[in-house]
Amino acid sequence: EVQLVESGGGLVQPGRSLRLSCAASGFTFDDYAMHWVRQAPGKGLEWVSGISWNSGSIGYADSVKGRFTISRDNAKNSLYLQMNSLRAEDTALYYCAKGAYYGSGSYYNSGAHDYWGQGTLVTVSS
Amino acid sequence: QSVLTQPPSVSAAPGQKVTISCSGSSSNIGNNYVSWYQQLPGTAPKLLIYENNKRPSGIPDRFSGSKSGTSATLGITGLQTGDEADYYCGTWDSSLSAGEVFGTGTKVTVL
Repeated sequence: EVQLVESGGGLVQPGRSLRLSCAASGFTFDDYAMHWVRQAPGKGLEWVSGISWNSGSIGYADSVKGRFTISRDNAKNSLYLQMNSLRAEDTALYYCAKGAYYGSGSYYNSGAHDYWGQGTLVTVSS
Repeated sequence: QSVLTQPPSVSAAPGQKVTISCSGSSSNIGNNYVSWYQQLPGTAPKLLIYENNKRPSGIPDRFSGSKSGTSATLGITGLQTGDEADYYCGTWDSSLSAGEVFGTGTKVTVL
């Protein structure tokens, strides 16, 4: 059974940093691109960032470019999101999501998100 | 600021059919596959449709997808109370940012 379990969320002051983690199991992690998607309270889905299976292709939404860094450790079956210079508008539930295409060499067009975690809540407030 | 436009809400009685539209442009829907996600209250999104019209294992054939030009449509037939949820379309956008984009979301209400 595929499982994606996010952690690391919490309450943080504006301008501070936070690191999210996503532990994957039930599939061969290093065969698939992975993504972070967020959802602000009462709002829709927003893609945040994606990374190919070998970290050779990485992309970010304009809203987080230069502040967030995605990474993965295939030996630990884990995905990360380092979030710096946090703003109030970054407040959201952050989901880890798997790309469906096997062996996708790019985060872009790596397939639909066939599995999602339950999300970890990040609240940016003073 | 979603670049894919969906109606805010649709509704129908149990057993009836609803369709949800998703309008985009040539940089996204026009040149990429569309996916559809169902988000039940308080839960994570779930993949309903991928590659415009394919259903993952376990998704009933009451759910269908189609695409024409720069628009896509999700259809739900034989509406059930358990279908009450938010539905999102998603695709890739080849504009400057080269990322994934989602629709504005549609709330389906079963009357």
